[in-house]
Amino acid sequence: AQSVTQLDSQVPVFEEAPVELRCNYSSSVSVYLFWYVQYPNQGLQLLLKYLSGSTLVKGINGFEAEFNKSQTSFHLRKPSVHISDTAEYFCAVSFSGGYQKVTFGIGTKLQVIP
Amino acid sequence: GAVVSQHPSRVICKSGTSVKIECRSLDFQATTMFWYRQFPKKSLMLMATSNEGSKATYEQGVEKDKFLINHASLTLSTLTVTSAHPEDSSFYICSAASGSGNSEAFFGQGTRLTVV
Repeated sequence: AQSVTQLDSQVPVFEEAPVELRCNYSSSVSVYLFWYVQYPNQGLQLLLKYLSGSTLVKGINGFEAEFNKSQTSFHLRKPSVHISDTAEYFCAVSFSGGYQKVTFGIGTKLQVIP
Repeated sequence: GAVVSQHPSRVICKSGTSVKIECRSLDFQATTMFWYRQFPKKSLMLMATSNEGSKATYEQGVEKDKFLINHASLTLSTLTVTSAHPEDSSFYICSAASGSGNSEAFFGQGTRLTVV
Protein backbone atom coordinates (compact mmCIF):
# COMPACT_ATOMS: atom_id res chain seq x y z
CA ALA A 1 0.00 0.00 0.00
CA GLN A 2 1.11 3.54 -0.68
CA SER A 3 1.40 5.76 2.36
CA VAL A 4 3.18 8.75 3.84
CA THR A 5 4.33 8.80 7.45
CA GLN A 6 5.47 11.79 9.45
CA LEU A 7 6.87 10.35 12.61
CA ASP A 8 6.66 13.41 14.83
CA SER A 9 3.41 15.27 15.39
CA GLN A 10 5.15 18.09 17.29
CA VAL A 11 8.75 19.23 17.40
CA PRO A 12 9.79 21.94 19.86
CA VAL A 13 13.19 23.47 19.20
CA PHE A 14 15.05 26.49 20.54
CA GLU A 15 15.70 29.43 18.28
CA GLU A 16 18.94 29.15 16.27
CA ALA A 17 19.13 25.40 16.88
CA PRO A 18 19.06 22.92 13.99
CA VAL A 19 15.95 20.90 13.23
CA GLU A 20 15.05 17.78 11.28
CA LEU A 21 11.47 16.83 10.45
CA ARG A 22 11.11 13.23 9.39
CA CYS A 23 9.10 11.79 6.53
CA ASN A 24 8.94 8.23 5.25
CA TYR A 25 6.84 6.79 2.49
CA SER A 26 5.84 3.42 1.20
CA SER A 27 5.65 2.82 -2.53
CA SER A 28 6.58 0.32 -5.20
CA VAL A 29 6.67 2.97 -7.92
CA SER A 30 8.74 6.07 -8.54
CA VAL A 31 7.57 9.06 -6.59
CA TYR A 32 7.70 12.81 -6.53
CA LEU A 33 8.25 14.26 -3.06
CA PHE A 34 7.25 17.60 -1.57
CA TRP A 35 7.37 19.58 1.63
CA TYR A 36 4.72 22.23 2.28
CA VAL A 37 4.43 24.75 5.10
CA GLN A 38 1.18 26.02 6.55
CA TYR A 39 1.22 29.11 8.73
CA PRO A 40 -1.73 29.62 11.10
CA ASN A 41 -5.00 30.25 9.24
CA GLN A 42 -3.26 30.22 5.88
CA GLY A 43 -3.04 27.88 2.92
CA LEU A 44 -0.11 25.76 1.88
CA GLN A 45 3.14 27.08 0.54
CA LEU A 46 5.59 24.85 -1.30
CA LEU A 47 8.96 24.70 0.48
CA LEU A 48 10.76 22.35 -1.87
CA LYS A 49 10.30 19.39 -4.13
CA TYR A 50 12.20 16.38 -5.43
CA LEU A 51 11.37 15.16 -8.92
CA SER A 52 14.66 13.65 -10.09
CA GLY A 53 18.39 14.34 -10.14
CA SER A 54 20.38 15.38 -7.10
CA THR A 55 19.05 13.82 -3.93
CA LEU A 56 19.78 16.94 -1.88
CA VAL A 57 17.16 19.55 -2.58
CA LYS A 58 17.31 23.14 -1.40
CA GLY A 59 14.14 25.13 -0.85
CA ILE A 60 12.98 28.48 0.36
CA ASN A 61 13.66 30.00 3.79
CA GLY A 62 16.89 28.04 4.23
CA PHE A 63 15.28 24.60 4.28
CA GLU A 64 16.69 21.55 2.53
CA ALA A 65 15.70 17.92 2.24
CA GLU A 66 17.45 14.74 1.22
CA PHE A 67 15.84 11.93 -0.72
CA ASN A 68 17.02 8.52 0.41
CA LYS A 69 15.63 5.88 -1.90
CA SER A 70 16.89 2.87 0.05
CA GLN A 71 15.30 4.13 3.25
CA THR A 72 12.29 5.64 1.43
CA SER A 73 12.75 8.84 3.36
CA PHE A 74 12.65 12.55 2.60
CA HIS A 75 13.62 14.34 5.81
CA LEU A 76 13.47 18.12 6.03
CA ARG A 77 16.28 20.04 7.71
CA LYS A 78 17.29 23.54 8.64
CA PRO A 79 20.61 24.35 10.32
CA SER A 80 19.30 27.28 12.37
CA VAL A 81 15.62 28.00 12.94
CA HIS A 82 13.91 31.33 13.56
CA ILE A 83 10.76 32.21 15.45
CA SER A 84 9.09 32.83 12.09
CA ASP A 85 9.56 29.16 11.18
CA THR A 86 6.87 28.21 13.70
CA ALA A 87 4.25 26.51 11.53
CA GLU A 88 2.93 23.15 10.45
CA TYR A 89 4.95 21.22 7.90
CA PHE A 90 3.47 18.62 5.59
CA CYS A 91 5.33 16.00 3.66
CA ALA A 92 3.53 15.01 0.47
CA VAL A 93 4.11 12.30 -2.10
CA SER A 94 2.83 11.86 -5.61
CA PHE A 95 2.56 8.19 -6.47
CA SER A 96 1.07 8.77 -9.87
CA GLY A 97 4.17 10.07 -11.60
CA GLY A 98 2.83 13.57 -11.95
CA TYR A 99 2.75 16.11 -9.19
CA GLN A 100 -0.81 17.16 -9.02
CA LYS A 101 -2.61 14.48 -7.04
CA VAL A 102 -0.61 14.06 -3.87
CA THR A 103 -0.98 12.18 -0.63
CA PHE A 104 -0.18 14.18 2.47
CA GLY A 105 1.35 13.10 5.73
CA ILE A 106 -0.34 14.01 8.97
CA GLY A 107 1.83 17.07 9.47
CA THR A 108 4.46 18.10 12.03
CA LYS A 109 4.01 21.20 14.16
CA LEU A 110 7.31 22.96 14.54
CA GLN A 111 7.39 25.22 17.56
CA VAL A 112 10.40 27.47 17.83
CA ILE A 113 11.09 28.54 21.40
CA PRO A 114 12.74 31.92 21.97
CA GLY B 1 4.68 30.82 -8.69
CA ALA B 2 1.14 31.10 -9.99
CA VAL B 3 -1.63 32.50 -7.82
CA VAL B 4 -4.73 30.64 -6.71
CA SER B 5 -7.35 32.55 -4.76
CA GLN B 6 -10.08 31.08 -2.59
CA HIS B 7 -13.14 32.96 -1.45
CA PRO B 8 -14.33 33.36 1.20
CA SER B 9 -11.46 32.78 3.62
CA ARG B 10 -13.92 32.27 6.47
CA VAL B 11 -17.65 31.56 6.48
CA ILE B 12 -20.16 30.80 9.18
CA CYS B 13 -23.49 29.35 8.16
CA LYS B 14 -26.55 27.93 9.84
CA SER B 15 -27.19 24.22 9.91
CA GLY B 16 -29.31 23.15 6.94
CA THR B 17 -28.17 25.89 4.60
CA SER B 18 -25.79 25.59 1.67
CA VAL B 19 -22.52 27.41 1.21
CA LYS B 20 -20.40 27.92 -1.89
CA ILE B 21 -16.62 28.20 -1.92
CA GLU B 22 -14.82 29.56 -4.98
CA CYS B 23 -11.36 28.67 -6.22
CA ARG B 24 -9.86 30.88 -8.90
CA SER B 25 -6.61 30.68 -10.81
CA LEU B 26 -5.64 34.31 -11.29
CA ASP B 27 -2.83 34.18 -13.80
CA PHE B 28 -3.07 30.82 -15.53
CA GLN B 29 -5.62 28.46 -16.99
CA ALA B 30 -6.38 25.61 -14.63
CA THR B 31 -7.43 22.53 -16.53
CA THR B 32 -7.48 20.52 -13.32
CA MET B 33 -8.48 21.52 -9.81
CA PHE B 34 -8.34 19.51 -6.61
CA TRP B 35 -10.40 19.96 -3.46
CA TYR B 36 -9.05 18.91 -0.08
CA ARG B 37 -10.49 18.88 3.40
CA GLN B 38 -8.42 19.22 6.53
CA PHE B 39 -9.82 17.75 9.71
CA PRO B 40 -8.61 19.08 13.06
CA LYS B 41 -5.24 17.62 13.96
CA LYS B 42 -5.26 15.55 10.79
CA SER B 43 -3.81 15.85 7.35
CA LEU B 44 -5.40 17.07 4.17
CA MET B 45 -7.63 14.51 2.53
CA LEU B 46 -8.33 14.71 -1.18
CA MET B 47 -12.07 15.00 -1.76
CA ALA B 48 -12.30 15.23 -5.52
CA THR B 49 -10.55 16.08 -8.75
CA SER B 50 -12.26 18.25 -11.33
CA ASN B 51 -11.36 18.82 -14.93
CA GLU B 52 -12.74 21.81 -16.78
CA GLY B 53 -15.95 20.95 -18.55
CA SER B 54 -16.29 17.47 -17.05
CA LYS B 55 -17.85 15.92 -14.01
CA ALA B 56 -15.68 15.75 -10.93
CA THR B 57 -14.12 12.50 -9.81
CA TYR B 58 -14.77 11.93 -6.12
CA GLU B 59 -12.60 9.96 -3.73
CA GLN B 60 -14.04 6.98 -1.95
CA GLY B 61 -16.25 7.94 0.95
CA VAL B 62 -16.98 11.49 -0.24
CA GLU B 63 -20.68 12.17 -0.79
CA LYS B 64 -21.19 13.54 -4.29
CA ASP B 65 -24.62 14.96 -3.52
CA LYS B 66 -23.39 16.76 -0.46
CA PHE B 67 -20.22 18.25 -1.89
CA LEU B 68 -21.11 19.59 -5.32
CA ILE B 69 -18.16 20.54 -7.47
CA ASN B 70 -18.42 22.61 -10.61
CA HIS B 71 -15.51 23.47 -12.88
CA ALA B 72 -17.24 25.47 -15.55
CA SER B 73 -14.32 27.55 -16.75
CA LEU B 74 -10.54 27.37 -16.94
CA THR B 75 -10.17 29.80 -14.07
CA LEU B 76 -12.95 28.88 -11.67
CA SER B 77 -14.05 25.86 -9.70
CA THR B 78 -16.67 25.92 -6.97
CA LEU B 79 -17.39 23.61 -4.07
CA THR B 80 -20.91 23.80 -2.66
CA VAL B 81 -21.59 22.17 0.68
CA THR B 82 -25.29 21.41 0.59
CA SER B 83 -27.49 21.17 3.68
CA ALA B 84 -24.51 21.80 5.88
CA HIS B 85 -24.26 20.27 9.35
CA PRO B 86 -21.86 20.99 12.19
CA GLU B 87 -19.78 17.93 11.26
CA ASP B 88 -19.05 19.61 7.90
CA SER B 89 -17.16 22.31 9.75
CA SER B 90 -13.62 22.10 8.48
CA PHE B 91 -10.84 23.78 6.53
CA TYR B 92 -11.32 23.33 2.80
CA ILE B 93 -8.49 24.02 0.39
CA CYS B 94 -8.17 23.82 -3.36
CA SER B 95 -5.25 23.45 -5.71
CA ALA B 96 -5.09 24.16 -9.42
CA ALA B 97 -2.87 23.00 -12.24
CA SER B 98 -2.58 23.60 -15.94
CA GLY B 99 -1.74 21.03 -18.54
CA SER B 100 -0.71 17.48 -17.84
CA GLY B 101 0.06 15.60 -14.67
CA ASN B 102 3.61 16.91 -14.75
CA SER B 103 2.63 20.51 -14.22
CA GLU B 104 2.78 21.82 -10.69
CA ALA B 105 -0.38 22.37 -8.68
CA PHE B 106 -0.69 25.61 -6.72
CA PHE B 107 -2.73 25.89 -3.55
CA GLY B 108 -5.28 28.46 -2.50
CA GLN B 109 -5.24 29.95 0.98
CA GLY B 110 -8.13 27.81 2.19
CA THR B 111 -11.61 28.42 3.57
CA ARG B 112 -12.56 27.89 7.19
CA LEU B 113 -16.19 26.73 7.29
CA THR B 114 -18.08 26.77 10.58
CA VAL B 115 -21.61 25.40 10.67
CA VAL B 116 -23.64 26.45 13.70
